Amino acid sequence: KAGVTQTPRYLIKTRGQQVTLSCSPISGHRSVSWYQQTPGQGLQFLFEYFSETQRNKGNFPGRFSGRQFSNSRSEMNVSTLELGDSALYLCASSPRESGSGANVLTFGAGSRLTVL
Amino acid sequence: GENVEQHPSTLSVQEGDSAVIKCTYSDSASNYFPWYKQELGKRPQLIIDIRSNVGEKKDQRIAVTLNKTAKHFSLHITETQPEDSAVYFCAASSRNQGGKLIFGQGTELSVKP
Repeated sequence: KAGVTQTPRYLIKTRGQQVTLSCSPISGHRSVSWYQQTPGQGLQFLFEYFSETQRNKGNFPGRFSGRQFSNSRSEMNVSTLELGDSALYLCASSPRESGSGANVLTFGAGSRLTVL
Repeated sequence: GENVEQHPSTLSVQEGDSAVIKCTYSDSASNYFPWYKQELGKRPQLIIDIRSNVGEKKDQRIAVTLNKTAKHFSLHITETQPEDSAVYFCAASSRNQGGKLIFGQGTELSVKP
């Protein structure tokens, strides 16, 4: 059974540009959550999608957005990149919506974004 | 919203010793508490979890305890081995907040042979 796949694994952008990251969940998993990981800040929750609908949202500015497709694949977009957006972006999938109970997440390897 | 505090941020132990990592949470409605291990350059992986209706859970050398009254939970690793070296994250989720997992800041555990 394939795991959670994230693309691209590494990317470099400059300030002001935008970026789109992709996440393919485990087959059969319908929930996709996104986290930003930076040294010292741990894992910061961005948002969760289930059945193509955003179900939860973290405390990030509107420059961070996402969507989910009918096949459960998800993308997140960051517009007008800032230096502080440099981070590892992790996506995680789960068979159920987080609000339904214990939300066991399986993480992807992440997309490491560097903003110059 | 939910806030999870994790201590210590770094922990160094000798091989064979025990290690304890502690977390506190703010939302009394939190009902699910997983622990993730992230080895250097790898993805976080679930190692153990506990639900609010249980006070303790063990899996071989690792155990988690939960004190709902004090709103804190702890990870205990006994007979530590060098391969236990990693960053450990605690997390909590509350149905009041849609069940999203909120993570602590992480503890970097170093086991010296």
